[in-house]
Amino acid sequence: AQSVAQPEDQVNVAEGNPLTVKCTYSVSGNPYLFWYVQYPNRGLQFLLKYITGDNLVKGSYGFEAEFNKSQTSFHLKKPSALVSDSALYFCAVRAGFNKFYFGSGTKLNVKP
Amino acid sequence: EPEVTQTPSHQVTQMGQEVILRCVPISNHLYFYWYRQILGQKVEFLVSFYNNEISEKSEIFDDQFSVERPDGSNFTLKIRSTKLEDSAMYFCASSRTSNTEAFFGQGTRLTVV
Repeated sequence: AQSVAQPEDQVNVAEGNPLTVKCTYSVSGNPYLFWYVQYPNRGLQFLLKYITGDNLVKGSYGFEAEFNKSQTSFHLKKPSALVSDSALYFCAVRAGFNKFYFGSGTKLNVKP
Repeated sequence: EPEVTQTPSHQVTQMGQEVILRCVPISNHLYFYWYRQILGQKVEFLVSFYNNEISEKSEIFDDQFSVERPDGSNFTLKIRSTKLEDSAMYFCASSRTSNTEAFFGQGTRLTVV
């Protein structure tokens, strides 16, 4: 069965510090992995994806994610957090013909 | 930049009433989806649609739900007889191919009273 897990409900980080939001996955076959961000009362915005190729993928707003096959992880990272990065972050895996499974979400709080 | 648009942004309906949620996917996309997010919970897959038919659906998508692409631009989700537990944010999404990212609309907040 395809699934993703986000082990942290909440991550707190000070502005200017690096941030990591964790995601692990379980899929059969090659994983197609995605990160989305959700601001309050808004839809899901695509940040980045891993389909194939380099394990480090870069996305919008300075975010990047590292695909680690041996650890079945796809952690989201940013070298220097901004207060405006505070939002809900969802990891997702594409499964089956065309559906996404989403993780439970991680609330990122960046304090000034 | 093209985007997925959803109407209305908020719908309040009485239990047992029918509702239709509307979506206009991105114009050159071929795959369409509905998801829902109950307040404070995870985003749940409802249904995917390709080539004018449902390609996958979840156990949530029972006989009370239906989807339609009535013309070349709209994609609708109908709930025939709403229940209190249908209250949620409903997101429409579309993708160009089967392995590219999906783009989501802003959502319709459905409140069943």
